[in-house]
Amino acid sequence: EAQLLESGGGLARPGGSLRLSCAAFGFTFSSHSMSWVRQTPEKGLEWVSAISNSGDKTYYADSVKGRFTISRDNSKNTLSLQMNSLRVEDTAVYYCAKEAFNPLRLDCWGQGTLVTVSS
Amino acid sequence: EIVLTQSPGTLSLSPGERATLSCRASQSVSSSQLVWYQQKPGQAPRLLIYGASSRATGIPDRFGASGSGTDFTLTISRLEPEDFAVYYCQQFTDSWTFGQGTKVEIK
Repeated sequence: EAQLLESGGGLARPGGSLRLSCAAFGFTFSSHSMSWVRQTPEKGLEWVSAISNSGDKTYYADSVKGRFTISRDNSKNTLSLQMNSLRVEDTAVYYCAKEAFNPLRLDCWGQGTLVTVSS
Repeated sequence: EIVLTQSPGTLSLSPGERATLSCRASQSVSSSQLVWYQQKPGQAPRLLIYGASSRATGIPDRFGASGSGTDFTLTISRLEPEDFAVYYCQQFTDSWTFGQGTKVEIK
């Protein structure tokens, strides 16, 4: 059974940085594109970033482009999200999710990690 | 960006009743790129329906979905106690976006 486990959330100051990690278990990690999705009570669910299975293609929401960097290590079955220049509005629960294709869907989600950006 | 509008915001029903949830898109969405998720308090979203009408693994057949173009519907034929939750639609056609959710609560 596929499982995802996020870590790295916490409190950061505006302008600061955090690095989130997502450990993958129970499936062939290198065969699947992966995404980060965040959630707040005010804005709901928002797709943040995605990366291809090999890591050669990355995609970002306009709200995080130029500040966040997604990456993966297929040898360690790990997905990461480096978050720089954090803003108060980046405060959210961040989920990593496994992508499946034909048709496209996010078919496995981690439990989420809370990021709070506050002075 | 395609905006997904879900209605109603809250649906108050009793166990055994039928639930009909709507997801309307601001532009046409490919049926194969519309999915539904269920989320319970304190939990991550769980994939329910993909490709507009295919149930995910382990999802009971009381969950069904239909639609095309800009109008999509999730139906729960007979509500079980564990079905009371928030339901979200998501599209993958353009700039992946989610609806704001419909809460199905016990009446």
